[in-house]
Amino acid sequence: GQNIDQPTEMTATEGAIVQINCTYQTSGFNGLFWYQQHAGEAPTFLSYNVLDGLEEKGRFSSFLSRSKGYSYLLLKELQMKDSASYLCAVRDGDYKLSFGAGTTVTVRA
Amino acid sequence: DAGITQSPRHKVTETGTPVTLRCHQTENHRYMYWYRQDPGHGLRLIHYSYGVKDTDKGEVSDGYSVSRSKTEDFLLTLESATSSQTSVYFCAISEGTSSYEQYFGPGTRLTVT
Repeated sequence: GQNIDQPTEMTATEGAIVQINCTYQTSGFNGLFWYQQHAGEAPTFLSYNVLDGLEEKGRFSSFLSRSKGYSYLLLKELQMKDSASYLCAVRDGDYKLSFGAGTTVTVRA
Repeated sequence: DAGITQSPRHKVTETGTPVTLRCHQTENHRYMYWYRQDPGHGLRLIHYSYGVKDTDKGEVSDGYSVSRSKTEDFLLTLESATSSQTSVYFCAISEGTSSYEQYFGPGTRLTVT
């Protein structure tokens, strides 16, 4: 089976940095995804890591360590619109994804 | 945005009635998926399709069936709805690129009373 863990909730101040950790134990590994989901909306794709290291996309960065089964999503210069759930997902074999339960980030003024 | 629509967007039905949810895509993507999302559980895969008439079960398939007779349409059927199937249902699509990243439809909120 798949085991993907991430914190349930995090709170941060506007303009600050927040790091969302994700650990996984899966039967295989073919890439790790991060999705953003605002309340009442569909998940939207943020990032994809398949090799170790940091991928940067504007204010968002994602890091992967395959040997440790660990990833994090870094959100910099937080804005109120970043208040959302962030989903970690692993592609363990072919084309299916297994999702963690999600981390709800609340940005306060 | 990927061209994915779901219908209906909201539905209230009674226990024991059949329900069919439709997912329609205009992207000609090969892979299609049905998920349910419940508080504390995240997204869980119900069924998926890897081509026309090619489908398989996900981790929570009991009580659900699917059909895909055309590339663009993927139907999810609850043969006899139960209250435990009250949930938000998302359809997703992906293509055979290196990442197989998935794009999600807007979701269907289903309530079984």
